[in-house]
Amino acid sequence: RKEVEQDPGPFNVPEGATVAFNCTYSNSASQSFFWYRQDCRKEPKLLMSVYSSGNEDGRFTAQLNRASQYISLLIRDSKLSDSATYLCVVNIGNQGGKLIFGQGTELSVKP
Amino acid sequence: GAVVSQHPSWVICKSGTSVKIECRSLDFQATTMFWYRQFPKQSLMLMATSNEGSKATYEQGVEKDKFLINHASLTLSTLTVTSAHPEDSSFYICSARDPIVGETQYFGPGTRLLVL
Repeated sequence: RKEVEQDPGPFNVPEGATVAFNCTYSNSASQSFFWYRQDCRKEPKLLMSVYSSGNEDGRFTAQLNRASQYISLLIRDSKLSDSATYLCVVNIGNQGGKLIFGQGTELSVKP
Repeated sequence: GAVVSQHPSWVICKSGTSVKIECRSLDFQATTMFWYRQFPKQSLMLMATSNEGSKATYEQGVEKDKFLINHASLTLSTLTVTSAHPEDSSFYICSARDPIVGETQYFGPGTRLLVL
């Protein structure tokens, strides 16, 4: 079983759609959680951290369920510029800040 | 946010040569840097954790004698791919953590290596 698993994708959605990404992690010792965005042939960029109480940043909402070891990202009113690969990332806190990346879910927003 | 640079951004080399990639934290001191590799259509895989002034910690399956890591200062870590072969062709990305900020890692722009 992979340590971090995401929806396989790709997701193809029209502009303005709402899209949700799901992610599960296997290590119960995981301490912090992130969503990164990676554009084609570029490095990943931090989109947002994910907190237990859930958090929102504009059109983006992240949720964490520690009991189910589940993380989600919701994008509302999707834009063409949201097209990218979204990476679910987990920090195994007792391993010196090691980040474990999911395989990524590709999103393509069409006009 | 913090800035991390990598050099070179891309390199093409012949099989058997060695390639050095530099990772620099430009506006903060990074006691820890990380080296990742990403093959096409795959996610980032951590290769090793580099701590300033000490030996790097390699992930399982990563050959330490093939991927030499040096972290001689708080702003520079280098990865040398020794005797590179075509299967080493990949996107190599480093990240650095600013201990003052916390756990967030800042990624460099990556280095594309193509071994012919």
